[in-house]
Amino acid sequence: EVQLVESGGGLVQPGGSLRLSCAASGFNFSTYAMSWVRQAPGKGLEWVSAISGRGESTYYADSVRGRLTISRDNSKNTVSLQMNSLTVEDTAVYYCAKDSDGGSFYVYWGRGTLVTVSS
Amino acid sequence: EIVLTQSPGTLSLSPGESATLSCRASQGIDRIFLAWYQQKPGQAPRLLIYGTSSRATGIPDRFSGSGSGTDFTLTISRLEPEDFAVYYCHQYGSSPETFGQGTKVEIK
Repeated sequence: EVQLVESGGGLVQPGGSLRLSCAASGFNFSTYAMSWVRQAPGKGLEWVSAISGRGESTYYADSVRGRLTISRDNSKNTVSLQMNSLTVEDTAVYYCAKDSDGGSFYVYWGRGTLVTVSS
Repeated sequence: EIVLTQSPGTLSLSPGESATLSCRASQGIDRIFLAWYQQKPGQAPRLLIYGTSSRATGIPDRFSGSGSGTDFTLTISRLEPEDFAVYYCHQYGSSPETFGQGTKVEIK
C-alpha cells in the first residue's frame, strides 16, 4: 500500500525557515518523480515543486523559485522541501504527491502538513 | 503559464441531478495531460479522471470527462450525496503544472 506521510509543518515568523519532509513507502521510490502541492486556507490547489526520480532534475513554481528547494534521499525514501525567506503568502497546507505511471497526475497524496507564517 | 479557468464557481444541485463542470485553458492542452480531482473538507484531493477521459481506479462510472484543445468538461450524472465537494482541473503537460480555481458542487 502506498503511503505518504508529511512532517515538519508549524508556525514560523516572516523571513524564517522551515524544512518539510515526506516519508514514502509501498512503492519503488527512486523510480517516481515526487511533487509538493500546497493549499492556502480556503483557497485552491497550487503546484509548488517537483523532483525527478533520481533527483537530477527539479522544477519550481515562479512564486517559490529561489526560496524553496526540493531534494530527495532515495536511500531513506524521503523527499524534502527546504523553505527559506517565508512570507505570509506561503501559509498553506503542503501536500506531498507521487507521480503516476502515466504522467504527472496524482493518485497518491499525503494528508498534508500545515505551515503558518505569522508574526 | 497555462491558466485554467473553471466555471461555474458554485453549482447548486439536488441529489439525482446531473452536474456539468467546465475547465477552460488559456492555451491548447494535449488531451493526455488534463486531470480532474475531487476534494472534501479536511481531506487531500482524490483523483477522478486523467488523460481527459480515463477514470481512475475505483471511480464510479457516473463520473466522465471530455474535451480537447482549450475546453474540457467533467460530468457527474445522477449526483449522490457523497459527490458534493469541490472539483479541480489540473494540467500537467506544460511546466509549471497548474490547477483551476475549483468548482464547488453544493446541495440545493
